Amino acid sequence: GAGVSQSPSNKVTEKGKDVELRCDPISGHTALYWYRQSLGQGLEFLIYFQGNSAPDKSGLPSDRFSAERTGGSVSTLTIQRTQQEDSAVYLCASSPRTTGYGYTFGSGTRLTVV
Amino acid sequence: AQKITQTQPGMFVQEKEAVTLDCTYDTSDPSYGLFWYKQPSSGEMIFLIYQGSYDQQNATEGRYSLNFQKARKSANLVISASQLGDSAMYFCAMREGTVGSGGSNYKLTFGKGTLLTVNP
Repeated sequence: GAGVSQSPSNKVTEKGKDVELRCDPISGHTALYWYRQSLGQGLEFLIYFQGNSAPDKSGLPSDRFSAERTGGSVSTLTIQRTQQEDSAVYLCASSPRTTGYGYTFGSGTRLTVV
Repeated sequence: AQKITQTQPGMFVQEKEAVTLDCTYDTSDPSYGLFWYKQPSSGEMIFLIYQGSYDQQNATEGRYSLNFQKARKSANLVISASQLGDSAMYFCAMREGTVGSGGSNYKLTFGKGTLLTVNP
């Protein structure tokens, strides 16, 4: 597609429920990143994909968080047993493999846990 | 220690004036890149400007320029002729690692941001 697409744009869920956030990167971008932005804060790195593999998961805050990427394209970030502190905007970015610039961000998913 | 420090939580500027947003960074990697992003209230992250650690000249993009002082590890963003539409959060970010090594992790580390308000 023309840009990075994320869905849903907004998600309200009850504490303890599981949620799935989707990211559809720019076609041909092999690198994909998930970030989290809590209220009034900068972006915090969660996980990096190169193709379908995730060589860097160091930013995932707990084992309730997981992510996968299939077909070198769409990625899903799953949060199990959501907690109120998970409330944040989750942003996805993609870039071509061989460049260290040219990141394109999606518009994010605003997650609210009530 | 924080890798990216933005010391100005908020800044005000009059329309048509220039403004400088501060950013200092900390890295021992000789190869790195510095970015500035704008985030309006809509939430999207808009890329503004990039400076590579080996670039000899300061980066410029239209009304945006990056005052890169390598020895001081600072990468301040200068916005000339401010416009009302420039009101937004501005984030400085750093990428460590060498471009082109293929498959390398080019994750960005972000500062906490500066909220810029342009007054008419």
